Amino acid sequence: DQQVKQNSPSLSVQEGRISILNCDYTNSMFDYFLWYKKYPAEGPTFLISISSIKDKNEDGRFTVFLNKSAKHLSLHIVPSQPGDSAVYFCAALTPYGSSNTGKLIFGQGTTLQVKP
Amino acid sequence: DADVTQTPRNRITKTGKRIMLECSQTKGHDRMYWYRQDPGLGLRLIYYSFDVKDINKGEISDGYSVSRQAQAKFSLSLESAIPNQTALYFCATSDFRAGTETQYFGPGTRLLVL
Repeated sequence: DQQVKQNSPSLSVQEGRISILNCDYTNSMFDYFLWYKKYPAEGPTFLISISSIKDKNEDGRFTVFLNKSAKHLSLHIVPSQPGDSAVYFCAALTPYGSSNTGKLIFGQGTTLQVKP
Repeated sequence: DADVTQTPRNRITKTGKRIMLECSQTKGHDRMYWYRQDPGLGLRLIYYSFDVKDINKGEISDGYSVSRQAQAKFSLSLESAIPNQTALYFCATSDFRAGTETQYFGPGTRLLVL
């Protein structure tokens, strides 16, 4: 049972345009979310995070939006650059105090290709 | 130098062999994790350790074991490798004492079981 889902395996955008990567989750107890980026032959690297007390967090060209009622988050990259081409994973933190305390649950990943 | 290192980076083994993947970190983090990545399945947690004396199973621990030899070292063993353990394996660390949930990943070990 996939608790964190990225339903789009791939996304292709033109350089300079906006990239929007989506992520859905099923557990309303999740209260912290992270996005990671992964290049081939490297480990995932942290990109941006958001707490459930916020609905938006911005860091340069990257913005994460959280819609708690829809259990949905999205990562916006504006403007997209060819160097952004990578696999993007969203992850949710399991709540502390539960049997699954303090672990990250990852989505399947979305491969972004930014064309020059 | 990389903060989280994994050895070996690539490994080919045969069914039934015992192998060990090693992870070392210089970040001084208390928590360490082992994940595997399979196409279309994302990253799945195998085992995690919140400190040297604390080892916990993740969602896919069957067929694997771990050892936390020191705060900086966390090794993953496949006691008797099977082909469906062919995957990309990642070690990660986090610093709970710093109040952050961010995990930092090593470069990965690509394992092929024939």
